[in-house]
Amino acid sequence: GAGVSQSPSNKVTEKGKDVELRCDPISGHTALYWYRQRLGQGLEFLIYFQGNSAPDKSGLPSDRFSAERTGESVSTLTIQRTQQEDSAVYLCASSRYPSGGAADTQYFGPGTRLTVL
Amino acid sequence: AQTVTQSQPEMSVQEAETVTLSCTYDTSESDYYLFWYKQPPSRQMILVIRQEAYKQQNATENRFSVNFQKAAKSFSLKISDSQLGDAAMYFCAYRSLPNAGNMLTFGGGTRLMVKP
Repeated sequence: GAGVSQSPSNKVTEKGKDVELRCDPISGHTALYWYRQRLGQGLEFLIYFQGNSAPDKSGLPSDRFSAERTGESVSTLTIQRTQQEDSAVYLCASSRYPSGGAADTQYFGPGTRLTVL
Repeated sequence: AQTVTQSQPEMSVQEAETVTLSCTYDTSESDYYLFWYKQPPSRQMILVIRQEAYKQQNATENRFSVNFQKAAKSFSLKISDSQLGDAAMYFCAYRSLPNAGNMLTFGGGTRLMVKP
């Protein structure tokens, strides 16, 4: 019955360093999403994983961003050579798929707040 | 591409009163899902209510209800008997049907303040 968990809760890094953010989805959820939320703004889609299908990377803002997912479990979002504009909260969500209806509701983790100095 | 607009950056309501948050969206699709999420200071996004576009009946969840006007592409959230715990950011979101894109498209949010 655990929800989506993310680590770390907060991350402070220096410009130019690489960072890795982790997401543990709800057990049994085949779909996993990453979103970015800049201060005072709505969420922006980054990447979507569904089972063993090729991920939908259409929201990644640059090639410095990448993500991996191991089977239907943990996902890692990596940002290389971080820039100050990467400062944001990174939120992960998971859902059941593809049955549709209420079963595909996305459940969110608490996010990782990334600060790039 | 779909867009979602929330025109009220901030709203304020007296405890026990009713408040309505506005949301409009733009799409060329005929069927889709709409959502309202609540984000308290803890950052956790919490689903408040969802609406399937093919359903004419407005969704209701306890004190929360929506006014879905498909032709006008409007999806407002009404909170009745407002409570202090309702204070949060509220985000309206759009999602296409499965197999047509599964990501949520969010509006910019409305900050709701509840006065005791």
